[in-house]
Amino acid sequence: DTGVSQNPRHKITKRGQNVTFRCDPISEHNRLYWYRQTLGQGPEFLTYFQNEAQLEKSRLLSDRFSAERPKGSFSTLEIQRTEQGDSAMYLCASSSTWGEQYFGPGTRLTVT
Amino acid sequence: GQQLNQSPQSMFIQEGEDVSMNCTSSSIFNTWLWYKQDPGEGPVLLIALYKAGELTSNGRLTAQFGTTRKDSFLNISASIPSDVGIYFCAGLNTGNQFYFGTGTSLTVIP
Repeated sequence: DTGVSQNPRHKITKRGQNVTFRCDPISEHNRLYWYRQTLGQGPEFLTYFQNEAQLEKSRLLSDRFSAERPKGSFSTLEIQRTEQGDSAMYLCASSSTWGEQYFGPGTRLTVT
Repeated sequence: GQQLNQSPQSMFIQEGEDVSMNCTSSSIFNTWLWYKQDPGEGPVLLIALYKAGELTSNGRLTAQFGTTRKDSFLNISASIPSDVGIYFCAGLNTGNQFYFGTGTSLTVIP
């Protein structure tokens, strides 16, 4: 399967704990995006990488959130000191141009 | 963050009927994309549009890039039960930022 993969698919954590999610994009895609989606809403942009460079960050991305793409391949999204409001689906997408983004299955985070 | 206005919010239709939905923005977009999302899964790309006025089909799906560059339309012909899901539009603006619509939930009654 050459699609975008994300791990884990589900994560339940207690408030205050740190969590890290991984995204493996389609191999020839140099652009990688992270989104957050809450129930009944469309995905909201969090951040974007071109190769290993993080080129844009949304104001939604508080200082508790950090994303990396160290070798321009897979990416990680870490949330420190999780809060109940962080509960959401975290989606990763990749593309080779400014156009078509292909999404992974998402990681559903539940903060208790 | 900004979200595009998508309508209708939900639709309940009989199998075999045609479906139309649209997406509007107050600002100009350079690219419009349409996605379908099933519960618990990521969005799946259906159609991509790159030029104002462009009309593109993918099987029973047809989408158009509005001539004002501020809207887009998706039509589904002869709906079938597997068309059930939430349809999202997404637009890339002149600042290279992607925004998603609020979604249209489609229910097809056999």
